[in-house]
Amino acid sequence: DQQVKQNSPSLSVQEGRISILNCDYTNSMFDYFLWYKKYPAEGPTFLISISSIKDKNEDGRFTVFLNKSAKHLSLHIVPSQPGDSAVYFCAASALEAGGTSYGKLTFGQGTILTVHP
Amino acid sequence: GAVVSQHPSRVICKSGTSVKIECRSLDFQATTMFWYRQFPKQSLMLMATSNEGSKATYEQGVEKDKFLINHASLTLSTLTVTSAHPEDSSFYICSARDHGRVNYGYTFGSGTRLTVV
Repeated sequence: DQQVKQNSPSLSVQEGRISILNCDYTNSMFDYFLWYKKYPAEGPTFLISISSIKDKNEDGRFTVFLNKSAKHLSLHIVPSQPGDSAVYFCAASALEAGGTSYGKLTFGQGTILTVHP
Repeated sequence: GAVVSQHPSRVICKSGTSVKIECRSLDFQATTMFWYRQFPKQSLMLMATSNEGSKATYEQGVEKDKFLINHASLTLSTLTVTSAHPEDSSFYICSARDHGRVNYGYTFGSGTRLTVV
């Protein structure tokens, strides 16, 4: 039961263009979403996150959009740079019982982004 | 920022032996740590949630007697793969949560590549 899905295994874009990475989820209890960047044989690096009370969060070249009704989020990278080439994972979490803290992360399968010079 | 140190980065062991992997939060106290496993070209699969001073909570299908988790202090959690077999070969990643951070502080270690021969 894949609760977080990244249906595109790979994405290739030209340097300077926009990269759009998509993620869908099925668990309506998820209310906090994160994007991570990962290189082979390394741990994930946090990029950006969004709470379910928002529909957009921006940090420099990275913007995450959340569509709760569609249970869909996307990560936009503008402009894309060759150094952005990596595997991108979206992850989701829900408030734990008691509502004071977020619990475990559930990850998507990842999307390999390649940015060509 | 929050730093999580994971050691060793890679280990090769003989079938039937045990291997211990350490995960340390260097500049914050982590009441909760998570252990993940990643197979090649696949997602990060949560194995267990480790809470300081209490027993770990294992995900369905993860053998608790095979993957021993100890979280004896607020800055250290260990994962011991007991009686390792070739099918245990994988990339293991820990994550520590810092409740004081804005992004709810899911910081990852650099991972451990385990090869059982």
